[in-house]
Amino acid sequence: DAKTTQPPSMDCAEGRAANLPCNHSTISGNEYVYWYRQIHSQGPQYIIHGLKNNETNEMASLIITEDRKSSTLILPHATLRDTAVYYCIVRGHGSSNTGKLIFGQGTTLQVKP
Amino acid sequence: DTAVSQTPKYLVTQMGNDKSIKCEQNLGHDTMYWYKQDSKKFLKIMFSYNNKELIINETVPNRFSPKSPDKAHLNLHINSLELGDSAVYFCASNSLRRARETQYFGPGTRLLVL
Repeated sequence: DAKTTQPPSMDCAEGRAANLPCNHSTISGNEYVYWYRQIHSQGPQYIIHGLKNNETNEMASLIITEDRKSSTLILPHATLRDTAVYYCIVRGHGSSNTGKLIFGQGTTLQVKP
Repeated sequence: DTAVSQTPKYLVTQMGNDKSIKCEQNLGHDTMYWYKQDSKKFLKIMFSYNNKELIINETVPNRFSPKSPDKAHLNLHINSLELGDSAVYFCASNSLRRARETQYFGPGTRLLVL
């Protein structure tokens, strides 16, 4: 599975959009980009994933560049409850897939009032 | 109605003891995982079972022995506990038959070895 690089921390004002970048320059054709977050003292929580098209759900939007070497997670209206560590993970879906997630250091997002 | 549950939530024990932590999922998933999050907050996969068969066994001391009595349960037994075993242990589950299905994590078991 490809490695990802994220900034260690970011701040965002409450009510504004939070844009969290992720670099995955070694991503291969069958690998998906997943985003999870971990709110303090809780288990990681799935947010969204995508292959090459932009994706949106009730929690966030995922923008993947055309070359797929980077992506951005967008929380459109950040709230204080969105303060968490956000992990960008690249994972394949092939027949050899064991499902394991390889977590990096993530980005600690601090939403401020 | 908890999807992935773990017991106990907190565990404080002495060095050298043997302890078990349990995980149960009611999502009908075929695969379960154990992750360890150390004091530096790094989350790392330890083990995974698919249909009661071990499919992931990362470099973990053999004092750690997972057991899956059925697809809905994955327990972790730790022998001769050491100070460095202090961490938060997370259980997770998903269905590898549906490759895009995401993993659901439990609330964690906070283990403190004194």
